[in-house]
Amino acid sequence: SQQGEEDPQALSIQEGENATMNCSYKTSINNLQWYRQNSGRGLVHLILIRSNEREKHSGRLRVTLDTSKKSSSLLITASRAADTASYFCATDVGGNNRLAFGKGNQVVVIP
Amino acid sequence: DAGVTQSPTHLIKTRGQQVTLRCSPISGHKSVSWYQQVLGQGPQFIFQYYEKEERGRGNFPDRFSARQFPNYSSELNVNALLLGDSALYLCAGGGTGGSDTQYFGPGTRLTVL
Repeated sequence: SQQGEEDPQALSIQEGENATMNCSYKTSINNLQWYRQNSGRGLVHLILIRSNEREKHSGRLRVTLDTSKKSSSLLITASRAADTASYFCATDVGGNNRLAFGKGNQVVVIP
Repeated sequence: DAGVTQSPTHLIKTRGQQVTLRCSPISGHKSVSWYQQVLGQGPQFIFQYYEKEERGRGNFPDRFSARQFPNYSSELNVNALLLGDSALYLCAGGGTGGSDTQYFGPGTRLTVL
């Protein structure tokens, strides 16, 4: 079953704007990861945040984790056309990398 | 270093046939996991192998099997194919089998007619 559920499902923004995606999950986790997928190809790992962390940054990406609400958010700042992709959150419950993915967010950045 | 490789890229089979998909992790990585991604959905965990031992199995029927070889490459076998097995099959490799970064291959697109 799908552990992560992203909200919103589809997002269309202008280049330069920020894009925010949310993910909720049901059970306690060891860590939560965000991935990007272009046109049905392989997944690219973006960022991993552990259950004892609240916020993490990587370049133009900012991830927050609220374990009390069982939710996470991914913020992409100053979006570019190349950011057009599907974004998935995935939870790792046992710290063993058996990931449970959400349904994904389709993000379209309009040049 | 080369990334995770998968073969073949695309595959078309008919119902009832059997298929074997292959994956080679990044050199030095000992863990391989397999995922099935149906169109419009997120990937679903099928198997995880570490040091040639099965470490975990998702909610898939016995028609799905896998193995890992001494060089850490892996095969996923699916018997008695059904239309619903049509999907992108993704392989992910990691160093330890624990909570480290997973590196995904480009996937094998399987179409069952």
